[in-house]
Amino acid sequence: GQNIDQPTEMTATEGAIVQINCTYQTSGFNGLFWYQQHAGEAPTFLSYNVLDGLEEKGRFSSFLSRSKGYSYLLLKELQMKDSASYLCAYNTNAGKSTFGDGTTLTVKP
Amino acid sequence: DAGITQSPRYKITETGRQVTLMCHQTWSHSYMFWYRQDLGHGLRLIYYSAAADITDKGEVPDGYVVSRSKTENFPLTLESATRSQTSVYFCASSGVGPDQPQHFGDGTRLSIL
Repeated sequence: GQNIDQPTEMTATEGAIVQINCTYQTSGFNGLFWYQQHAGEAPTFLSYNVLDGLEEKGRFSSFLSRSKGYSYLLLKELQMKDSASYLCAYNTNAGKSTFGDGTTLTVKP
Repeated sequence: DAGITQSPRYKITETGRQVTLMCHQTWSHSYMFWYRQDLGHGLRLIYYSAAADITDKGEVPDGYVVSRSKTENFPLTLESATRSQTSVYFCASSGVGPDQPQHFGDGTRLSIL
């Protein structure tokens, strides 16, 4: 996706912690979403940040710094089922989202 | 059950044919979207709609046509299919407000021979 960047692939070990970064450039920023997409399935919503700081939701947390155009998704206590693609997307004033290309996370035993 | 459904799930057609992908949602969401997702890539917006009878182009609209005569339906038509339009197509809907996430259908896997 344009103006939004995230690593293509990451590998981590079961039980570990992994941080997936996302950087973006846009005017009219209206929040940042993270979605999870398992292979062959539809994306599903994970988190939304509009203010700076960390939002925690169980094993998953998401952080936003608006001044730096930076977000990350933190996954703790990794499980095999966390192997998926993670998409970050920023929202604009027009009500639409621009998606990154996604980070494919592989969790190994 | 409430949700968003796409049909067909799989479609094979030939170049030059017209094909329509259907999308239906039961939440009465105002916003609806069509994306394509190619292998190893994220979601690229084709068209979106803020309400019935209001549609707007996304990032990659060429070769596609949409309509939205009813809030719950948002069909996508490929008027003359080309091989470059082989892709997975996702429809999504969302409520009004910047904090409203998009809810995706299961996708249509379209192959154009």
